[in-house]
Amino acid sequence: AAGVIQSPRHLIKEKRETATLKCYPIPRHDTVYWYQQGPGQDPQFLISFYEKMQSDKGSIPDRFSAQQFSDYHSELNMSSLELGDSALYFCASSRTSGGRNEQFFGPGTRLTVL
Amino acid sequence: QQPVQSPQAVILREGEDAVINCSSSKALYSVHWYRQKHGEAPVFLMILLKGGEQMRHEKISASFNEKKQQSSLYLTASQLSYSGTYFCGTERYGGSQGNLIFGKGTKLSVKP
Repeated sequence: AAGVIQSPRHLIKEKRETATLKCYPIPRHDTVYWYQQGPGQDPQFLISFYEKMQSDKGSIPDRFSAQQFSDYHSELNMSSLELGDSALYFCASSRTSGGRNEQFFGPGTRLTVL
Repeated sequence: QQPVQSPQAVILREGEDAVINCSSSKALYSVHWYRQKHGEAPVFLMILLKGGEQMRHEKISASFNEKKQQSSLYLTASQLSYSGTYFCGTERYGGSQGNLIFGKGTKLSVKP
């Protein structure tokens, strides 16, 4: 079965640089979520899109932005990177059915900011 | 608002059982359970919607007490492959659909 695809899998950046993370949801899934997970932490919700429209915003810094494109893939853009942005970034997708919103996570992008 | 998971960690021998609890101070629409191995993505186990609902994934089952805003995950006859960190993710009534708030996780280690 097709899974969520994320690229790149690893990314190393310097402070103050920018980064773009990409997510390709499971086909026919209508919602995409972005989560950030620091070392030893639980995943923190950043932002979500339903049918290409932003549906909710969590603890996402103003330096970050995201969008979902017509082919349903999503990109998370991160600017003025800080050391504290080093984390695993997960994209998840879901297709709501009968109120059940099962979210399936991609393999993640490990971002290291030096 | 973050759900509270207990215990924080548990060590089992193969074949032993364990229970992981997740409780919230807010009314819950649903509870999602995930297992995550180190450096990997969280893997979806099950979702519980209605109070009293019980679900099963292989030898792992879960229940949801909507009135108490609690969910429990039951691991029966544990296997080595069950090792990992288990997270509950909660959707609240009045929150945006799908916006999961995760507990801090329960680290489960299964020894031979």
